[in-house]
Amino acid sequence: DTAVSQTPKYLVTQMGNDKSIKCEQNLGHDTMYWYKQDSKKFLKIMFSYNNKELIINETVPNRFSPKSPDKAHLNLHINSLELGDSAVYFCASSLRTSGRGQETQYFGPGTRLLVL
Amino acid sequence: QKEVEQNSGPLSVPEGAIASLNCTYSDRGSQSFFWYRQYSGKSPELIMSIYSNGDKEDGRFTAQLNKASQYVSLLIRDSQPSDSATYLCAVNIRSGYSTLTFGKGTMLLVS
Repeated sequence: DTAVSQTPKYLVTQMGNDKSIKCEQNLGHDTMYWYKQDSKKFLKIMFSYNNKELIINETVPNRFSPKSPDKAHLNLHINSLELGDSAVYFCASSLRTSGRGQETQYFGPGTRLLVL
Repeated sequence: QKEVEQNSGPLSVPEGAIASLNCTYSDRGSQSFFWYRQYSGKSPELIMSIYSNGDKEDGRFTAQLNKASQYVSLLIRDSQPSDSATYLCAVNIRSGYSTLTFGKGTMLLVS
């Protein structure tokens, strides 16, 4: 199936731990994103990569570090997890065509992170 | 702070009625506008995109854009219980790249 996939789907961990979330897309897209959706369902951009280059880095703690080994993968590593990091993290991808920001973003199924 | 505002709802409509979802945005330079639907526990999926003033129709869905009023809406005709979901308005505020700023979403309940 062509899609954006994320692993793991669920992640329960203790405060202070380090964890990683992986994202892969096989849609042939060149731009990938990480979003955070909090308990109030507010969806907010964290990072964006185009052709492995970081193009968007919103106000996110340094504990969050994205890495894009190639155009099809974007991983998110989180150090020293805090209670407030509990949320659903969505990966998304798009194909930069017109350069006018009209490209549709396709979302992965999400990773539900719970920090205890 | 560039913002996208939506009424959180819930918006309750009877089956078969027209549901009207509204969104306003603060950045006059915004060029691209999207409506996503998100079922509980699922990821957002694109319903409609609109870039020019006026109406754009796709099946039971019509998106309306008024850049002068900084207003975008989504109409759902013949609403069905399966339309019950949270509808997210997204605006591309940053030029050049697809960078979406989302509203907080409107929950629609069709019964």
